[in-house]
Parts: sequence; C-alpha cells; structure tokens
Amino acid sequence: EPEVTQTPSHQVTQMGQEVILRCVPISNHLYFYWYRQILGQKVEFLVSFYNNEISEKSEIFDDQFSVERPDGSNFTLKIRSTKLEDSAMYFCASSYRLRRSGNTIYFGEGSWLTVV
Amino acid sequence: DAKTTQPPSMDCAEGRAANLPCNHSTISGNEYVYWYRQIHSQGPQYIIHGLKNNETNEMASLIITEDRKSSTLILPHATLRDTAVYYCIVRAPTAGGTSYGKLTFGQGTILTVHP
Repeated sequence: EPEVTQTPSHQVTQMGQEVILRCVPISNHLYFYWYRQILGQKVEFLVSFYNNEISEKSEIFDDQFSVERPDGSNFTLKIRSTKLEDSAMYFCASSYRLRRSGNTIYFGEGSWLTVV
Repeated sequence: DAKTTQPPSMDCAEGRAANLPCNHSTISGNEYVYWYRQIHSQGPQYIIHGLKNNETNEMASLIITEDRKSSTLILPHATLRDTAVYYCIVRAPTAGGTSYGKLTFGQGTILTVHP
C-alpha cells in the first residue's frame, strides 16, 4: 500500500540552527501538507501546498518556515532558525485531489524534532 | 469548520464492539464527517468518512443521525491494537478553496481496549 515517507525520523538540533525535514508524498498525489504536534498537545495544521505554491497557512507558519517541492517526488519543510518551542513531531501528509465527494489525506509517520 | 465534541476517554473489552460518539450540532449541509486515529504519536491514520449516509469499510462503520448533528464510529470487534486516540473532524468541501485540505484536530477520544 502506498504511503507517505518522512526523514529523518528523529533529529536533534541546536537552537538557532536551520533544519530541513523531508517527505516523499504518495506518488500520484497533488496536494501536500505539513502538520505538527507538540508533545501532549493537539495535531496542528501548518501549511498546504499545491501546484508549486502555498495554498493556505496557519499563523504558526511564520517567516521562519518555508516549504519547497524541489523535484517531482520530495516535499520539504525548512525551519530557518530553530527555537526551543519548535520541538515537536512534524507530520507530512498528501492527498490526490480536491473533489466534492471528499478528499482523504494520508499522513506520514512523522519526524520528531528536538531543539536544545 | 463545525466544532465537534467527543468524550475524553472510553474503555472497551477486546472482541467487543467499540462505539465512539461525536456531537457536531452546528454541522452544515455540505460538511463531511471524518474519523482518524492516532496510535501512540504515530501519524494520524484515516479510518472513514461520510456525508449523510451510513458508511462501512474494512476498518469500521460510521453511523450518522438523520439530522446529522451526531455520529458514531463503530469498531465491530475491537482488538488491543485499536487502542488509540480517535478524532472526529468535520470538514467543509469549499470548491476550489484551500480549507478542503485543512483538517482541524480536537483532543479526540482516548480509546483503551483491554483484555
């Protein structure tokens, strides 16, 4: 069964460093997302991406964050200068298309980011 | 998107049916009800979704009341591996819009299946 894959599974970084989290969405999917979950809290939407541009972003997704689809298969989340409060599990997700009958979003297993 | 209300926790005996309720009294006519679950900090896993009719797949059944103000997710024969947080999410299919992709997660129901 096709799945969303994420790397790394766990990364420890120093405060102020740049981090890139990588995702390979399901191959025929067109819509891509990042969510995050701080330990013990809810899963929160960060950003959605379609046709090589951001289609929606939350207020969490400030100038420190960026997303990119550098080639036909990868989708990345960059955090420019990490802060302690960026420590969280980051989930990549993808879906095939938007349609009236529903749109199932599939999630990866997550990348656990620890900022020290 | 409409707000949902779920009990914070439920227990179920292994092999029995688990019935997880969800209230969404402010749901609009074109909003879908989605269920996801999250097993111990893994990625959320899609279970099922529906609009107004009851739905069934290999994982679960979804029963939506006639007025659509509440729904129940049924796991017919719960196993220990079904222990997870279950999320009921209501989403509006904005045609051509971006909110279609935005799932808003609440706290969900922690389902514990015990032997």
